[in-house]
Amino acid sequence: EPEVTQTPSHQVTQMGQEVILRCVPISNHLYFYWYRQILGQKVEFLVSFYNNEISEKSEIFDDQFSVERPDGSNFTLKIRSTKLEDSAMYFCASSETPQGTGYEQYFGPGTRLTVT
Amino acid sequence: AQKVTQAQTEISVVEKEDVTLDCVYETRDTTYYLFWYKQPPSGELVFLIRRNSFDEQNEISGRYSWNFQKSTSSFNFTITASQVVDSAVYFCALSEAAGGSYIPTFGRGTSLIVHP
Repeated sequence: EPEVTQTPSHQVTQMGQEVILRCVPISNHLYFYWYRQILGQKVEFLVSFYNNEISEKSEIFDDQFSVERPDGSNFTLKIRSTKLEDSAMYFCASSETPQGTGYEQYFGPGTRLTVT
Repeated sequence: AQKVTQAQTEISVVEKEDVTLDCVYETRDTTYYLFWYKQPPSGELVFLIRRNSFDEQNEISGRYSWNFQKSTSSFNFTITASQVVDSAVYFCALSEAAGGSYIPTFGRGTSLIVHP
């Protein structure tokens, strides 16, 4: 069964450093998403991406965040200058369409980011 | 604005007991989707079910069943004859069709602990 993959599974970085979290969505999916889950808290939407541009973003997704689809398979989330409060699990998801029967978002296993 | 409330923070049961996880939602939209996800200790998010607002039929899948009641804005999840492997955090989520967004809002989750 096709699945979303994410690398690395765990990333440790120092405050102020840049990190890039990588995701490979399901191959025939067109819509891509990043979510964040601070430890013990709820899952929060960050950004959605379609047709090589951001279609929607939340208040969390400020100027230090960016997303990119550098090639036909990868979807990346970059945090330019990490802060302690960026420590969280980051989930990538993809879907065929954003609505109707194709709406189901398939989530990756997550990348745990620890900022020290 | 959409909102999802999972009032039960943690539920502890003994194996083979039935358990119901509550989810109450708020939305002004008439078209919306409701979801349940399971997050086992390994951290990934596992899709369990999607329901659209026009389909109030209850659903059963093995030991899992869902009770969708628009009159009380609830979408409760019952596990029959619980097993240790059911131990996880369960998230209820809501996405509205307004503006074509469909970005889900997650509840805070209910941690289910099933003791042998």
